[in-house]
Amino acid sequence: DGGITQSPKYLFRKEGQNVTLSCEQNLNHDAMYWYRQDPGQGLRLIYYSQIVNDFQKGDIAEGYSVSREKKESFPLTVTSAQKNPTAFYLCASSIEIGTGKEQYFGPGTRLTVT
Amino acid sequence: GESVGLHLPTLSVQEGDNSIINCAYSNSASDYFIWYKQESGKGPQFIIDIRSNMDKRQGQRVTVLLNKTVKHLSLQIAATQPGDSAVYFCADFGSDTGRRALTFGSGTRLQVQP
Repeated sequence: DGGITQSPKYLFRKEGQNVTLSCEQNLNHDAMYWYRQDPGQGLRLIYYSQIVNDFQKGDIAEGYSVSREKKESFPLTVTSAQKNPTAFYLCASSIEIGTGKEQYFGPGTRLTVT
Repeated sequence: GESVGLHLPTLSVQEGDNSIINCAYSNSASDYFIWYKQESGKGPQFIIDIRSNMDKRQGQRVTVLLNKTVKHLSLQIAATQPGDSAVYFCADFGSDTGRRALTFGSGTRLQVQP
């Protein structure tokens, strides 16, 4: 069963703690993305990666960090520097980058920081 | 896609009617467009896409229309069903910029009345 998995579905953390969100894909896609979604709003791009060991900042990268050590995995760390981390986080992948391709999304992780 | 603020516009239709969801984009060089459906608490699902060398594309019960002159995209859903109730996002991709990812609009909520 191919697809993108994100875990956990719900995550709770105390303010001041870093937290890492998992994203794994078995679609053999080169490109992977992280988005943030706030209630009643669209998706905002945090980071994206075109290939292993390479990633670029999106529109709202401050307070976040990523790594891409394996093709299948693109974890996102929400650091204590992120001023408003509570949100719904979506990971996506696409077969390639640069030509405009369909992105497949995972089920999302809802992060609540108190 | 363009941001239209914090509150999602809502389209309410009767079951069986046709629905038309509109989207404006800002990048005149965008060459790929895509519509996603997002149900509550889930990741977006691909509906249909279109490239800039086309002005219409049809899928199963859905049609996307592209008007590049006024930078407008629409999604038509025929014989709308209760299962179509969701938030619909348009997104565009422009290969002219350094941004190698889709830009999402803020979405439209479709409510189907039985």
